[in-house]
Amino acid sequence: GAVVSQHPSWVICKSGTSVKIECRSLDFQATTMFWYRQFPKQSLMLMATSNEGSKATYEQGVEKDKFLINHASLTLSTLTVTSAHPEDSSFYICSAQLPTGGGAAGELFFGEGSRLTVL
Amino acid sequence: GENVEQHPSTLSVQEGDSAVIKCTYSDSASNYFPWYKQELGKRPQLIIDIRSNVGEKKDQRIAVTLNKTAKHFSLHITETQPEDSAVYFCAASINQAGTALIFGKGTTLSVSS
Repeated sequence: GAVVSQHPSWVICKSGTSVKIECRSLDFQATTMFWYRQFPKQSLMLMATSNEGSKATYEQGVEKDKFLINHASLTLSTLTVTSAHPEDSSFYICSAQLPTGGGAAGELFFGEGSRLTVL
Repeated sequence: GENVEQHPSTLSVQEGDSAVIKCTYSDSASNYFPWYKQELGKRPQLIIDIRSNVGEKKDQRIAVTLNKTAKHFSLHITETQPEDSAVYFCAASINQAGTALIFGKGTTLSVSS
């Protein structure tokens, strides 16, 4: 299957600092990537849809100025948590979507996830 | 938008028993229904999926059924083993470019030996 790599796998930062998480599709070009957030013992909640070369589409309740998403190439999307606070501590998971066409079209492949802890 | 309900939230079974997890979805346009298994601290792993042009799909001990009319789909695990213990998520989407998966709240399955 397709491979999606996410980095870093875990990060600890001080309150008020910014953290950047990278998501790369290693063996295919992903026009669309999605960012999810998962709090402990909860489900994956969609934060935003990232399209290559255009602005991300954010879900209701997600602050676009706090969670900056950049999708500058077909293999890389980044999520920057700006001015992080303890309530931003969570497991952030990216996923990349196969291009349309073919039996597996549209399937999502997930990165390893990044656990953010804000002190 | 799509809303996915999942039940039960927790499920405990004895090794060798069957486990069934049920989901309902709200958007009749959804046509792709994957199931994921997630172990603690790991990424979700796709275990089986079904598209709206079929009613049932089976892969060894795992099967998924879909009732489009009722907007229900279910995961069936037979002959459960302790290594099946994990959190299982159902999801739904309109399987086209740029459309995200919407997940259910998850079911924590515990298989005791």
